Parts: sequence; C-alpha cells; structure tokens
Amino acid sequence: QSALTQPPSASGSPGQSVTISCAGSSSDVGAYNYVSWYQQHPDKAPKLMIYEVTKRPSGVPDRFSGSKSGNTASLTVSGLQPEDEADYYCSSYGGRNIHYVFGTGTKVTVL
Amino acid sequence: QVQLVQSGAEVREPGASVKVSCKASGYSFAGYYVHWLRQAPGQGLEWMGCIRPNSGGTTYINQNFLGRITVTRDTSSSTVHMELGSLRSDDTAVYYCAREYCSPTDCLKNFDYWGQGTLVTVSS
Repeated sequence: QSALTQPPSASGSPGQSVTISCAGSSSDVGAYNYVSWYQQHPDKAPKLMIYEVTKRPSGVPDRFSGSKSGNTASLTVSGLQPEDEADYYCSSYGGRNIHYVFGTGTKVTVL
Repeated sequence: QVQLVQSGAEVREPGASVKVSCKASGYSFAGYYVHWLRQAPGQGLEWMGCIRPNSGGTTYINQNFLGRITVTRDTSSSTVHMELGSLRSDDTAVYYCAREYCSPTDCLKNFDYWGQGTLVTVSS
C-alpha cells in the first residue's frame, strides 16, 4: 500500500491561510470518509486535529478545517499562528486488509 | 486524565528482537483498541498493527510486518506490548502506541491519544 501524497512544505505569514493536500486513491481516501489529520511538533507525539474528514476534536481551534473531493483530502489552517508551525500528516482508513495509511507529511512554516 | 506511558529507549543488534510496552490509564481499557505505529528518523508515520483489549485480544497486523510482530495485552495492568523480531537497521525508529475508540459495532478510525514514543535503535 503506497503512502498518501502530500506536498513537502507549505508556508504563510501570521494571519494568512494555508491549505495542505493529501492525494490518495479510490481504495482509501476516495472510498471512506475516515480521513484524519495529525499535527506533530519536533520530538513530540502526533496530535489529532481533524477526524472523519471535517470534524474537530474538543480543544482544537476552529481555525483548522478539513474537506475532501474525490481521492484528495485537504487541511486548511486559517489565521496562521506561530504555534501552528509543525509537521502535518494525513491518514486514511484503507479497508480491512490495509487498515491505515499515512501521508508523506507537510512541514508548515509560519513566516 | 488519559495517559499512554511507554517503556524507555532500547538498543538492539541486527537479528535480535525488542519488546516495547504501553501502559494505559485514565480511561476504560476495554473500550479502546491500542495501535502501534512507527516513525523512522526524518520520515513519516507507518501503521504496524493493533489489538482489541477484550474478547480474546484479537490482533490486526500490517502485512508488511507479518511474521515479525507480536502484539499482546495484559488486562490486569492495562498494558499492551509490541514485540518486533529479526530486527534490521531500517527498523530504527520511534515507536508509538495510540488508542482508538471502538463500540461493540464500530470503531472511530482515528487515534485520539498517543504515547510519548520509544526510540528503538538497531545497530551493531
């Protein structure tokens, strides 16, 4: 099972928006509404930011939003804050044989 | 509060095995699958497998690790163990446990709490 494809980097100034794409296939992203996004700061464990494509766990700012079209999911961070600078990984359920596949990761830089 | 506390860093030689533990607290152990994932230096995340804490401890394993990985649980101590054998240098990574909520009929298919990670270094 191949990893989901994300751009290596994205950047924006404080207050701006950045959108990260996550390209999968009809077997994972396109087949299920079980796309999640995780934020990871250096030397820290990942943190769940979005689940089931669009839902935010309690405590995650509403600046973070998710969407999906076909085989590609996206994460948008609006009103960038310095603390948003981190690596972001998408993940998709891939069915009973594959279970979970992750994206290649995107480093977000706040300029 | 919910915590997943993992065992400490390990160093192994190629061909050896390593066992990493993950102790859960602050929630009902039976209600959540526990997953193992890993992250090689500078790389992305890779799902390895998971265990259902109750009902006999059913496991689901990434086919890339079949034959090399064993995931077990000890319900008396709310601890999950992951043993990886026939270690190679490319198994050097930080290994994470994470939980997933599951009802009797379905799972949420996301990982809402993670352990702090355990660095496993494979080197001769």
